[in-house]
Amino acid sequence: KNQVEQSPQSLIILEGKNCTLQCNYTVSPFSNLRWYKQDTGRGPVSLTIMTFSENTKSNGRYTATLDADTKQSSLHITASQLSDSASYICVVRGYSTLTFGKGTMLLVSP
Amino acid sequence: DVKVTQSSRYLVKRTGEKVFLECVQDMDHENMFWYRQDPGLGLRLIYFSYDVKMKEKGDIPEGYSVSREKKERFSLILESASTNQTSMYLCASRSLGRHRGGYEQYFGPGTRLTVT
Repeated sequence: KNQVEQSPQSLIILEGKNCTLQCNYTVSPFSNLRWYKQDTGRGPVSLTIMTFSENTKSNGRYTATLDADTKQSSLHITASQLSDSASYICVVRGYSTLTFGKGTMLLVSP
Repeated sequence: DVKVTQSSRYLVKRTGEKVFLECVQDMDHENMFWYRQDPGLGLRLIYFSYDVKMKEKGDIPEGYSVSREKKERFSLILESASTNQTSMYLCASRSLGRHRGGYEQYFGPGTRLTVT
């Protein structure tokens, strides 16, 4: 069964600090992996997309990594800002499937 | 930019009422989706539509129906709302690659439905 597990479930960090969110998946065959940011009360917005051949991709202060061998991805946030407080959702696409993680809730505290 | 809009941000309905949630996208996307999002459960697919007048059940279709009469509009219908349908409902659309954005799903802002 295709599964996407994210950790931690929630995280509180101080403004300016870095953090890393994890995503492990069992989706096979694998097509791509996306990280979404979802602000409270809003729809998810795509941050990065990674295919099998990519192992790192950056979008401003967000850097995603992918290890297709171990089926793990991480999202690293550098120099966190209050506006980074949101839920971060990992979504893995298979051949004809789309599997969502339950998300990591990040709170950046001043 | 791709825009997906939903008819209401917040909605309060009574048990047994028929509820319509509307979603409109302006990018001529073929595929459209309805999800519900609940704490601890993440996003779950209710129904999706490959194209006009086409619909497929997702993971949790019970208690819901959909309508796609026009390409840009995908409606979710709760025939008889129940309290366990209180949730955040998210609509998404996706192109088949011929348009901007490739296979990315673009989400609407969501509708927070409360059934009392």
